[in-house]
This record gives sequence, structure tokens and C-alpha cells, in this order.
Amino acid sequence: GAVVSQHPSWVICKSGTSVKIECRSLDFQATTMFWYRQFPKQSLMLMATSNEGSKATYEQGVEKDKFLINHASLTLSTLTVTSAHPEDSSFYICSAREVIKNTEAFFGQGTRLTVV
Amino acid sequence: AQSVTQPDIHITVSEGASLELRCNYSYGATPYLFWYVQSPGQGLQLLLKYFSGDTLVQGIKGFEAEFKRSQSSFNLRKPSVHWSDAAEYFCAVGLNTGFQKLVFGTGTRLLVSP
Repeated sequence: GAVVSQHPSWVICKSGTSVKIECRSLDFQATTMFWYRQFPKQSLMLMATSNEGSKATYEQGVEKDKFLINHASLTLSTLTVTSAHPEDSSFYICSAREVIKNTEAFFGQGTRLTVV
Repeated sequence: AQSVTQPDIHITVSEGASLELRCNYSYGATPYLFWYVQSPGQGLQLLLKYFSGDTLVQGIKGFEAEFKRSQSSFNLRKPSVHWSDAAEYFCAVGLNTGFQKLVFGTGTRLLVSP
């Protein structure tokens, strides 16, 4: 099956700094990538949908200036949490959709962000 | 609005016993339905999916699910649970937006007792 790799798996940062999370499709071209956030013991909430070469579409209530998403190539999307605060601590998961097969999206292994 | 309901937050099953996890959805059109499993601190692994055709779908690790349109349900089943099946299970519906945005249920945590 298709492989999606997220990096880093976990990161600790100081409050006020920015953190970048990468999501790569290793063996397919992903025109669309999705970014989810998961709070402890809760479900995944879609944050934004990014299409290669265009601006991301954010879900209602998600601050686009805080969660910067870039999808500059068919294999890489990045999520940058700017001026991070402790309340941004969460598990962030990306998924990528394969162009040709028009089927499900494949998920990365997630990134645990802790802001101290 | 589209929604997915997993009524059971926790389920405990004895090893070797059968399992059924419930999932109900609300969606106006024909849904794309998925079951994912998440181990602690990990991403999501697809167990199985339903797009069309046979309403009983087989997945990995011995799981199966049945789509029942009349009940708006897509319950996950396994005839004999193994201790390694202990994890969080998420049901999701894919919206027919062209980009397959997924709406997830709140998940069911499966505990397996010896």
C-alpha cells in the first residue's frame, strides 16, 4: 500500500516558538493532503485540506495564521504551528490522497507536539 | 450535517470471543465508509472500506463489516479477538466532495481481557 511519512514523530518546543511538521507521500503523488488534530482520548478533527500548488482550505474555527500549511509539491505538505502555546499541544496527523486511484487517503503516523 | 456515531466509548471482550463495534452515520448521499484502527501514539491504519457493491466487506486482520443502508449502519465484526486487537477503532464517512474529506466518529476503545 501507499506510504505516508510524517516527521518528526514527536517534538517539544518552548512557548512562543514555531514548529514545522512534514508530511510526505513516499511512493505516490498526492494532489490533496489533509491535516487533522486529535485531542487526548478524542476523535480526529479535520483542520484543513491542502491541494498542491494552491492555498489550503481551513475548517471553521481553525486559525489559518496560526496553522500555516504549505503544499508546494506532489509529495510534500508542511504544517507550521506559529507562536505555539501550551494549548496547541496535541497529536497532529496528516493524510494524503492518491491521484490516479481515486480512493481513500493514507495516513501518516502522527506527530506528538508538546509546548512547554 | 454529516455525522458518525459510535455509541460505545469502551468495550471489553475476552480473548477468543467475538466482537462487534457499532457505527451509525448520517449522510444524504451514498457514503464511502471506513474503519480505522489506532494503536497508542500511532497513526491510523485502514482496516476496511465500503464504496459500493457487496455490502459485506472483508478487511485485514480478520475483520469484516456490513453496510446496512436501511439502518444507516456499518458495524465492524471479528469472530475471535486476539490480545493484539486492543486499540482504538474509528469509523469514518468519506464525503463526496471530490477530495474525500473524512468525518470521524468519536472512537471505541477495545480492551481485551485474558
